[in-house]
Amino acid sequence: QLLESGGGLLQPGGSLRLSCAASGFTFSSYAMSWVRQAPGKGLEWVSSISGSGTSYADSVKGRFTISRDNSKNTLYLQMDSLRAEDTAVYYCAKGQLKVDVWGKGTTVTVSS
Amino acid sequence: EIVLTQSPGTLSLSPGERATLSCRASQSVSNNYLAWYQQKPGQAPRFLIYGASSRATGIPDRFSGSGSGTDFTLTISRLEPEDFAVYYCQQYGSLPPITFGQGTRLEIK
Repeated sequence: QLLESGGGLLQPGGSLRLSCAASGFTFSSYAMSWVRQAPGKGLEWVSSISGSGTSYADSVKGRFTISRDNSKNTLYLQMDSLRAEDTAVYYCAKGQLKVDVWGKGTTVTVSS
Repeated sequence: EIVLTQSPGTLSLSPGERATLSCRASQSVSNNYLAWYQQKPGQAPRFLIYGASSRATGIPDRFSGSGSGTDFTLTISRLEPEDFAVYYCQQYGSLPPITFGQGTRLEIK
């Protein structure tokens, strides 16, 4: 199970940190990802983290940072310099290739 | 980056009918690493198919995937009321990034 938190409403240029608490599997053994969905739109991969390192979509590179704390079974997404186009539901996802477990999502709204 | 194009955009069918959803890739998907997901309004996606044709755990056998290279299909043999949703294909053969199709909405006729 994956449970996201940390979403909210903020102004352009602001920062936010999302968290994802994992349970029911050996968190440290799996790559993890963030996938987002803008209102009324499709799914967009944002970032992944694995033993090989991290990767980011071009749209967020340099602004978002993915990290994890295996001792807390928690995945993070630090989002800086937020833009209106970052408005979306952000899903925590188990895996960096195919995603077999999804969280329920947390909503981030960037608006002035 | 591999672009996935799904068709049709919307498919209108009745319960009991057969649904055929298409996903076409802009270039060959390595190892046929293609997945399908189902998403209902207000819910997270649900993992259905991986490796183009393998069903995920707990997925009913009325769902089947096929295809290779650049052309893939998700077939629902006999539609149940709970199958009406949006379906996304996703490739994970060439990354980053993993990419998703734009979705096919399956609606009740």
